[in-house]
Amino acid sequence: KQEVTQIPAALSVPEGENLVLNCSFTDSAIYNLQWFRQDPGKGLTSLLLIQSSQREQTSGRLNASLDKSSGRSTLYIAASQPGDSATYLCAVKLNQAGTALIFGKGTTLSVSS
Amino acid sequence: DAGVTQSPTHLIKTRGQQVTLRCSPKSGHDTVSWYQQALGQGPQFIFQYYEEEERQRGNFPDRFSGHQFPNYSSELNVNALLLGDSALYLCASSLGGSLHFGNGTRLTVT
Repeated sequence: KQEVTQIPAALSVPEGENLVLNCSFTDSAIYNLQWFRQDPGKGLTSLLLIQSSQREQTSGRLNASLDKSSGRSTLYIAASQPGDSATYLCAVKLNQAGTALIFGKGTTLSVSS
Repeated sequence: DAGVTQSPTHLIKTRGQQVTLRCSPKSGHDTVSWYQQALGQGPQFIFQYYEEEERQRGNFPDRFSGHQFPNYSSELNVNALLLGDSALYLCASSLGGSLHFGNGTRLTVT
């Protein structure tokens, strides 16, 4: 059974720091991996999607990497800002068919000014 | 262009009651998925609807059922509510690609 774990559960940093969020999954047979952002009481916003054949994806100050063989992904946030404060969730999709994602519990990030 | 809209935003029900949650997908999207997110947890997949049929289902009991209408909107029904059903219910729509989530319905069962 596929399980997704995110470490740390919470993280507090001062503005301007670079930081890394970690995601691990137990079964390397995934179709893709996606990082989401969730603001309190709100829905999810997709940040980056990495196909199983890819190693990384970048969008602005965000960079996500994928090492499928070791079951790990990292989300790197450069020059953090208070507006980055949110919960970050990673999710894996097991196959091309359907829309079922398996999520981790998330990392809650707080960036202080 | 409206994104995914869900109603109501908040709902309080009593144990044993039934509830219906509604979702309108993003314009042009034909697939709707439902997720349950308990407090402090990641979302869990309930089911997916496409062409008015349930196409994929997660590990949820039959008390959870759904429907998709010809205009692609969808309903999630939960019967015989339990305290453990209290959660944020998220709807996501897609058109063969990545999911777009609504802001959810917060259901509290007392």
